[in-house]
Amino acid sequence: AQKITQTQPGMFVQEKEAVTLDCTYDTSDQSYGLFWYKQPSSGEMIFLIYQGSYDEQNATEGRYSLNFQKARKSANLVISASQLGDSAMYFCAMREINTGGFKTIFGAGTRLFVKA
Amino acid sequence: EAGVAQSPRYKIIEKRQSVAFWCNPISGHATLYWYQQILGQGPKLLIQFQNNGVVDDSQLPKDRFSAERLKGVDSTLKIQPAKLEDSAVYLCASSRGGSQDTQYFGPGTRLTVL
Repeated sequence: AQKITQTQPGMFVQEKEAVTLDCTYDTSDQSYGLFWYKQPSSGEMIFLIYQGSYDEQNATEGRYSLNFQKARKSANLVISASQLGDSAMYFCAMREINTGGFKTIFGAGTRLFVKA
Repeated sequence: EAGVAQSPRYKIIEKRQSVAFWCNPISGHATLYWYQQILGQGPKLLIQFQNNGVVDDSQLPKDRFSAERLKGVDSTLKIQPAKLEDSAVYLCASSRGGSQDTQYFGPGTRLTVL
């Protein structure tokens, strides 16, 4: 069955430093996609980055990169050079292509606090 | 390109009343999703439409929740009668389709049931 685990309820990082947000997943499907979303206090979910299960290279989008370790079933988000505006909730999500009926499930989220 | 629109942004009702939410997806997006996000949790899928057909409604409490997507564009989600535990943010998302199928979310409707 699909499962997403984010074990860090809250994280603190100093401005301009890098931070890693953890995400592990469980699936029996060979074909799946992994997503990270940011949710600021305004409430809107903002798409950050995507990694397909068959992608050999880690995805990167600007200051965001996804550390994809398929054998360990982990998809950690790395934010480089943190900014005050990065303070928000971050959600990891997974979408199974073959067995999950294209349903996306979300983890419980990690709240990131960026300190000046 | 305009984003996903939702209304209202906030709604306060008393238990046993009914309420409806509206969503207009991004133009050209065939798939539309309704999620429920309870405070402190990640979003939970309630229903997924492909054009105007239902793909997944396995987690929709059908005794009180209903949703429709007429003409494959706009969608409404209704709760009747509301319970205290329905207090949550209701998020609408849309996607174009395909293997990556990134979902783009609207601002959400915050529902408070008293």
